[in-house]
Amino acid sequence: AAGVIQSPRHLIKEKRETATLKCYPIPRHDTVYWYQQGPGQDPQFLISFYEKMQSDKGSIPDRFSAQQFSDYHSELNMSSLELGDSALYFCASAQGLRGSPLHFGNGTRLTVT
Amino acid sequence: LAKTTQPISMDSYEGQEVNITCSHNNIATNDYITWYQQFPSQGPRFIIQGYKTKVTNEVASLFIPADRKSSTLSLPRVSLSDTAVYYCLVRGAGSYQLTFGKGTKLSVIP
Repeated sequence: AAGVIQSPRHLIKEKRETATLKCYPIPRHDTVYWYQQGPGQDPQFLISFYEKMQSDKGSIPDRFSAQQFSDYHSELNMSSLELGDSALYFCASAQGLRGSPLHFGNGTRLTVT
Repeated sequence: LAKTTQPISMDSYEGQEVNITCSHNNIATNDYITWYQQFPSQGPRFIIQGYKTKVTNEVASLFIPADRKSSTLSLPRVSLSDTAVYYCLVRGAGSYQLTFGKGTKLSVIP
């Protein structure tokens, strides 16, 4: 079965640079979520989209922005990168609401040097 | 958002049944209870979800008492490959946000 695809798998950036992470949801899934997981920490919710509109916002820094496109893929844009942004970034997709489970990708590991 | 509390860690021998209990005292009427499994450097994987009583699938069972203030994930006959972090989450049917708390690190011992 098709899964959530994230690219790139690994990304190395320097401080103050920008990064763009991409997420391709499971076909027919209309909801996308972004999570950040630092070393030894639990996943932290950043932002979500439903039908290309932002649906909820968590602890996403102002330096980050995201959007969901017409084909339902999503991109997380990160600017003025800091060392503390080094983490695993997960995207998850789901079909609509009504408590449908989230399906996660295997993440993008961002390292900021 | 309902807060969840679960043990930080558990150890079990191979072949045993493991029960992980999660407390969610302020669960709302329309909230679902969902469990995820996460291996290191991988995305969380959906295990099971329920609203009340008992739900069973091919990998686990979920027991939810009538007051729904707690739930228990039951893993039958664990193997070494079940060593992972298990998260209990509570989510409303119309909620977009799924908040992870502190999960339970399960270590399966040979």
